Amino acid sequence: NAGVTQTPKFRILKIGQSMTLQCAQDMNHNYMYWYRQDPGMGLKLIYYSVGAGITDKGEVPNGYNVSRSTTEDFPLRLELAAPSQTSVYFCATATDNTEAFFGQGTRLTVV
Amino acid sequence: KNEVEQSPQNLTAQEGEFITINCSYSVGISALHWLQQHPGGGIVSLFMLSSGKKKHGRLIATINIQEKHSSLHITASHPRDSAVYICAVKDFGNEKLTFGTGTRLTIIP
Repeated sequence: NAGVTQTPKFRILKIGQSMTLQCAQDMNHNYMYWYRQDPGMGLKLIYYSVGAGITDKGEVPNGYNVSRSTTEDFPLRLELAAPSQTSVYFCATATDNTEAFFGQGTRLTVV
Repeated sequence: KNEVEQSPQNLTAQEGEFITINCSYSVGISALHWLQQHPGGGIVSLFMLSSGKKKHGRLIATINIQEKHSSLHITASHPRDSAVYICAVKDFGNEKLTFGTGTRLTIIP
Protein backbone atom coordinates (compact mmCIF):
# COMPACT_ATOMS: atom_id res chain seq x y z
CA ASN A 1 0.00 0.00 0.00
CA ALA A 2 2.03 2.95 -1.29
CA GLY A 3 -0.52 5.72 -0.53
CA VAL A 4 -0.02 8.72 -2.81
CA THR A 5 2.92 8.62 -5.22
CA GLN A 6 4.09 11.73 -7.02
CA THR A 7 6.68 11.83 -9.76
CA PRO A 8 9.09 13.38 -10.43
CA LYS A 9 10.42 14.77 -7.13
CA PHE A 10 12.40 17.53 -8.83
CA ARG A 11 12.35 19.06 -12.30
CA ILE A 12 13.90 22.02 -14.06
CA LEU A 13 12.04 23.26 -17.14
CA LYS A 14 12.90 25.92 -19.67
CA ILE A 15 10.34 28.63 -20.42
CA GLY A 16 7.87 27.35 -22.99
CA GLN A 17 8.47 23.66 -22.35
CA SER A 18 5.69 21.39 -21.21
CA MET A 19 5.55 18.51 -18.77
CA THR A 20 3.21 16.25 -16.86
CA LEU A 21 3.35 15.76 -13.11
CA GLN A 22 2.13 12.32 -12.19
CA CYS A 23 0.00 11.41 -9.18
CA ALA A 24 -1.11 7.89 -8.41
CA GLN A 25 -2.98 6.49 -5.41
CA ASP A 26 -3.84 2.96 -4.37
CA MET A 27 -6.38 3.73 -1.65
CA ASN A 28 -9.46 3.94 -3.90
CA HIS A 29 -10.11 7.51 -2.72
CA ASN A 30 -12.61 9.36 -4.86
CA TYR A 31 -11.36 12.91 -4.21
CA MET A 32 -8.02 14.00 -5.64
CA TYR A 33 -6.44 17.45 -5.57
CA TRP A 34 -3.51 19.35 -7.00
CA TYR A 35 -2.05 22.22 -4.98
CA ARG A 36 0.89 24.53 -5.43
CA GLN A 37 2.88 26.04 -2.59
CA ASP A 38 5.01 29.08 -3.28
CA PRO A 39 7.88 29.86 -0.87
CA GLY A 40 6.59 30.96 2.54
CA MET A 41 2.99 30.75 1.37
CA GLY A 42 0.00 28.49 1.91
CA LEU A 43 -1.35 25.83 -0.42
CA LYS A 44 -3.46 27.03 -3.33
CA LEU A 45 -5.84 24.68 -5.15
CA ILE A 46 -5.15 24.27 -8.87
CA TYR A 47 -7.62 21.55 -9.88
CA TYR A 48 -9.58 18.84 -8.16
CA SER A 49 -11.58 15.75 -9.03
CA VAL A 50 -14.44 14.03 -7.25
CA GLY A 51 -14.18 10.85 -9.26
CA ALA A 52 -13.08 9.32 -12.54
CA GLY A 53 -14.17 11.46 -15.48
CA ILE A 54 -14.95 14.53 -13.35
CA THR A 55 -12.59 17.47 -12.83
CA ASP A 56 -13.05 21.08 -11.78
CA LYS A 57 -11.00 24.24 -11.45
CA GLY A 58 -9.63 25.50 -8.19
CA GLU A 59 -8.29 28.95 -7.31
CA VAL A 60 -5.32 29.06 -9.70
CA PRO A 61 -6.02 26.86 -12.76
CA ASN A 62 -4.51 29.07 -15.49
CA GLY A 63 -1.62 27.41 -17.30
CA TYR A 64 -2.56 23.90 -16.15
CA ASN A 65 -4.74 21.03 -17.28
CA VAL A 66 -5.79 17.78 -15.66
CA SER A 67 -7.52 14.55 -16.53
CA ARG A 68 -8.98 11.73 -14.43
CA SER A 69 -9.56 8.70 -16.61
CA THR A 70 -9.17 6.28 -13.69
CA THR A 71 -9.72 6.44 -9.94
CA GLU A 72 -6.02 5.87 -9.36
CA ASP A 73 -4.37 8.52 -11.53
CA PHE A 74 -4.66 12.30 -11.65
CA PRO A 75 -1.91 13.82 -13.84
CA LEU A 76 -1.30 17.58 -13.97
CA ARG A 77 -0.17 18.99 -17.29
CA LEU A 78 1.80 22.22 -17.65
CA GLU A 79 1.75 23.68 -21.14
CA LEU A 80 4.14 26.51 -22.06
CA ALA A 81 5.91 26.67 -18.70
CA ALA A 82 6.46 30.15 -17.24
CA PRO A 83 8.70 31.34 -14.37
CA SER A 84 5.54 32.08 -12.35
CA GLN A 85 4.92 28.32 -12.25
CA THR A 86 8.07 27.77 -10.21
CA SER A 87 6.68 26.20 -7.06
CA VAL A 88 6.28 23.01 -5.08
CA TYR A 89 3.33 20.94 -6.25
CA PHE A 90 1.41 18.58 -4.00
CA CYS A 91 -1.13 15.96 -4.91
CA ALA A 92 -3.63 14.91 -2.23
CA THR A 93 -6.46 12.42 -1.88
CA ALA A 94 -9.39 12.15 0.50
CA THR A 95 -12.84 10.68 1.00
CA ASP A 96 -15.80 11.97 2.99
CA ASN A 97 -14.79 9.86 5.95
CA THR A 98 -10.98 9.89 5.97
CA GLU A 99 -8.12 12.22 6.60
CA ALA A 100 -6.35 13.70 3.61
CA PHE A 101 -3.22 11.99 2.28
CA PHE A 102 -0.48 13.89 0.50
CA GLY A 103 2.23 12.96 -1.94
CA GLN A 104 5.82 13.97 -1.19
CA GLY A 105 5.68 16.93 -3.53
CA THR A 106 7.34 17.92 -6.82
CA ARG A 107 9.76 20.84 -6.74
CA LEU A 108 9.54 22.55 -10.13
CA THR A 109 11.82 25.35 -11.32
CA VAL A 110 11.15 27.16 -14.60
CA VAL A 111 14.15 29.04 -15.98
CA LYS B 1 -15.58 30.91 -1.02
CA ASN B 2 -14.60 29.88 2.45
CA GLU B 3 -12.08 32.18 4.07
CA VAL B 4 -9.79 30.28 6.43
CA GLU B 5 -7.67 32.22 8.90
CA GLN B 6 -5.11 30.88 11.30
CA SER B 7 -3.52 32.52 14.29
CA PRO B 8 -0.87 33.11 15.25
CA GLN B 9 1.17 33.09 12.03
CA ASN B 10 4.35 32.41 13.99
CA LEU B 11 4.79 31.01 17.48
CA THR B 12 7.97 30.42 19.45
CA ALA B 13 7.78 28.66 22.80
CA GLN B 14 9.97 26.90 25.32
CA GLU B 15 10.04 23.14 25.54
CA GLY B 16 7.29 21.88 27.82
CA GLU B 17 4.87 24.73 27.19
CA PHE B 18 1.21 24.19 26.28
CA ILE B 19 0.60 25.33 22.70
CA THR B 20 -2.64 26.51 21.11
CA ILE B 21 -3.12 27.23 17.41
CA ASN B 22 -6.41 28.63 16.18
CA CYS B 23 -8.35 28.30 12.94
CA SER B 24 -11.50 30.16 11.97
CA TYR B 25 -13.55 29.89 8.80
CA SER B 26 -16.35 31.90 7.27
CA VAL B 27 -18.81 29.36 5.84
CA GLY B 28 -20.28 26.19 7.31
CA ILE B 29 -18.25 23.06 6.63
CA SER B 30 -18.60 19.30 6.55
CA ALA B 31 -15.12 18.61 7.91
CA LEU B 32 -11.95 20.31 9.11
CA HIS B 33 -8.44 18.91 8.80
CA TRP B 34 -5.32 19.67 10.79
CA LEU B 35 -2.06 18.94 8.98
CA GLN B 36 1.63 19.16 9.83
CA GLN B 37 4.36 20.20 7.40
CA HIS B 38 7.94 19.60 8.47
CA PRO B 39 10.91 21.62 7.20
CA GLY B 40 11.60 18.91 4.63
CA GLY B 41 8.26 19.79 3.06
CA GLY B 42 6.23 16.62 3.49
CA ILE B 43 2.64 17.06 4.68
CA VAL B 44 0.96 14.63 7.04
CA SER B 45 -2.57 14.61 8.32
CA LEU B 46 -3.06 14.91 12.09
CA PHE B 47 -6.83 14.99 12.48
CA MET B 48 -10.09 15.18 10.62
CA LEU B 49 -12.96 16.64 12.65
CA SER B 50 -16.61 17.30 12.01
CA SER B 51 -17.62 17.91 15.62
CA GLY B 52 -16.35 17.77 19.19
CA LYS B 53 -12.82 16.80 20.09
CA LYS B 54 -10.14 14.31 19.13
CA LYS B 55 -6.94 13.35 20.92
CA HIS B 56 -3.84 11.58 19.67
CA GLY B 57 -0.92 11.38 22.05
CA ARG B 58 0.01 14.94 23.07
CA LEU B 59 -2.16 16.50 20.37
CA ILE B 60 -5.76 17.56 20.92
CA ALA B 61 -8.05 19.09 18.30
CA THR B 62 -11.40 20.71 19.05
CA ILE B 63 -14.03 22.27 16.86
CA ASN B 64 -16.97 24.57 17.61
CA ILE B 65 -19.31 24.38 14.65
CA GLN B 66 -21.55 27.24 15.80
CA GLU B 67 -18.59 29.62 16.21
CA LYS B 68 -16.84 28.33 13.06
CA HIS B 69 -13.64 27.82 15.01
CA SER B 70 -11.17 25.05 15.71
CA SER B 71 -8.12 24.81 17.92
CA LEU B 72 -5.10 22.51 17.90
CA HIS B 73 -3.41 22.04 21.26
CA ILE B 74 -0.03 20.48 21.97
CA THR B 75 0.72 19.48 25.53
CA ALA B 76 4.29 19.19 26.89
CA SER B 77 5.72 20.61 23.68
CA HIS B 78 9.02 19.26 22.36
CA PRO B 79 11.52 20.58 19.79
CA ARG B 80 10.45 17.82 17.39
CA ASP B 81 7.00 19.48 17.31
CA SER B 82 8.60 22.37 15.40
CA ALA B 83 6.78 22.50 12.07
CA VAL B 84 4.12 24.40 10.17
CA TYR B 85 0.60 23.48 11.24
CA ILE B 86 -2.10 23.93 8.64
CA CYS B 87 -5.87 23.98 8.92
CA ALA B 88 -8.02 22.97 5.92
CA VAL B 89 -11.81 22.94 5.55
CA LYS B 90 -14.22 21.07 3.31
CA ASP B 91 -17.43 22.94 2.48
CA PHE B 92 -20.85 21.33 2.49
CA GLY B 93 -21.79 20.04 -0.96
CA ASN B 94 -18.38 20.95 -2.32
CA GLU B 95 -15.41 18.65 -2.25
CA LYS B 96 -12.75 21.34 -2.33
CA LEU B 97 -10.29 21.52 0.53
CA THR B 98 -9.45 25.15 1.32
CA PHE B 99 -6.28 25.76 3.31
CA GLY B 100 -5.22 28.35 5.83
CA THR B 101 -1.76 29.86 5.42
CA GLY B 102 -0.35 27.89 8.32
CA THR B 103 1.21 28.57 11.72
CA ARG B 104 4.97 28.19 12.01
CA LEU B 105 5.77 26.70 15.42
CA THR B 106 9.28 26.70 16.87
CA ILE B 107 9.95 24.94 20.18
CA ILE B 108 13.21 25.95 21.85
CA PRO B 109 14.96 23.38 24.08
